[in-house]
Amino acid sequence: ETGVTQSPTHLIKTRGQQVTLRCSSQSGHNTVSWYQQALGQGPQFIFQYYREEENGRGNFPPRFSGLQFPNYSSELNVNALELDDSALYLCASSLAAFGSGSPYEQYFGPGTRLTVT
Amino acid sequence: KNEVEQSPQNLTAQEGEFITINCSYSVGISALHWLQQHPGGGIVSLFMLSSGKKKHGRLIATINIQEKHSSLHITASHPRDSAVYICAVRAGNMLTFGGGTRLMVKP
Repeated sequence: ETGVTQSPTHLIKTRGQQVTLRCSSQSGHNTVSWYQQALGQGPQFIFQYYREEENGRGNFPPRFSGLQFPNYSSELNVNALELDDSALYLCASSLAAFGSGSPYEQYFGPGTRLTVT
Repeated sequence: KNEVEQSPQNLTAQEGEFITINCSYSVGISALHWLQQHPGGGIVSLFMLSSGKKKHGRLIATINIQEKHSSLHITASHPRDSAVYICAVRAGNMLTFGGGTRLMVKP
């Protein structure tokens, strides 16, 4: 089975621009979560998608949005980029959504490092 | 105050030493994860715990639900164990992470 992949690996954008980051879930996984990790800090939960619907969201503004596709791949979109959006963006897939009562393992992708100048 | 606190933040050890990393949390949880992150960002899940103790090779993780505390132990540490170790707790639909413990094992 294939692991979680993310693209691109690195990206440089200018303040005010928009960016789309992509994630392919591990085969058979129907849940994807996105995290933002600023340099030197632990990751922070952005949101989770389960069967193409948003299933939970952290403390991030609406300019952070996402999509999950029927093949369970996912996108994270960030509009009106700010300098503080510079971070490593991680996605993780699992077999079930949080809150389902099933503490399934999460499998992380390698991350996309976004730099906003 | 962060919901998930790890200690120490930084740890330097000599090869072969026994290492303990601690994690305390303040919310009710359904599971706790220990993760390993190497330079460059890739995260590997080491353990997922909801009670008791788990062992995998030289790694041991324990959790005390009543005390809201977990520990990750590394026996016979090796330079390849050098990484950031992150504790994360699951509550409802969210996974909340600690700030990580940066471990360096010197030969």
